[in-house]
Amino acid sequence: KQEVTQIPAALSVPEGENLVLNCSFTDSAIYNLQWFRQDPGKGLTSLLLIQSSQREQTSGRLNASLDKSSGRSTLYIAASQPGDSATYLCAVGPSSNTGKLIFGQGTTLQVKP
Amino acid sequence: SAVISQKPSRDICQRGTSLTIQCQVDSQVTMMFWYRQQPGQSLTLIATANQGSEATYESGFVIDKFPISRPNLTFSTLTVSNMSPEDSSIYLCSLRLGQDYGYTFGSGTRLTVV
Repeated sequence: KQEVTQIPAALSVPEGENLVLNCSFTDSAIYNLQWFRQDPGKGLTSLLLIQSSQREQTSGRLNASLDKSSGRSTLYIAASQPGDSATYLCAVGPSSNTGKLIFGQGTTLQVKP
Repeated sequence: SAVISQKPSRDICQRGTSLTIQCQVDSQVTMMFWYRQQPGQSLTLIATANQGSEATYESGFVIDKFPISRPNLTFSTLTVSNMSPEDSSIYLCSLRLGQDYGYTFGSGTRLTVV
């Protein structure tokens, strides 16, 4: 059974810092991995999608990497801003590609001005 | 990417009543998904809704409690029936346009049962 873990659960940093959020999964047989952002009480906004054949994806200040063999992904946020404050969720798509995403518990980020 | 309009955004309901949540999509999609996010928790898949067939429910979720309709390729509803305070959660619909696309989520419905 696939399990997804995100570390740390919460993170508070001063504005301008570069930071790394971690996601690990127990079954390396995945189809893809997707990072989302969730603001309090709201829906999910997709940040980056990494297919199983890819090693990384970049969008603006965000960079996500994937190491399937070790069951790990990282989300790197450069030059953090107060507007980046949110919960970041990692979700794994199984190799069967059935459409069922397995989510981690999330990392709640606070960026202080 | 597709755009999903989810309604209502929030509601406060009395126990024992039912609430229907709607998701309208600006593209035709074969499969839509319904998730629940309990307070302080991550997302759990409730069911997969295919147009023209019965929804497929995950373990722990049943049709009598969470009936789903999928009348066409751009619309789906989830009903939370006979609600109790334990049903207080955020409910979200989701889709993807194809196998190599990422998932898009609706804005969520924040349900409080009193």
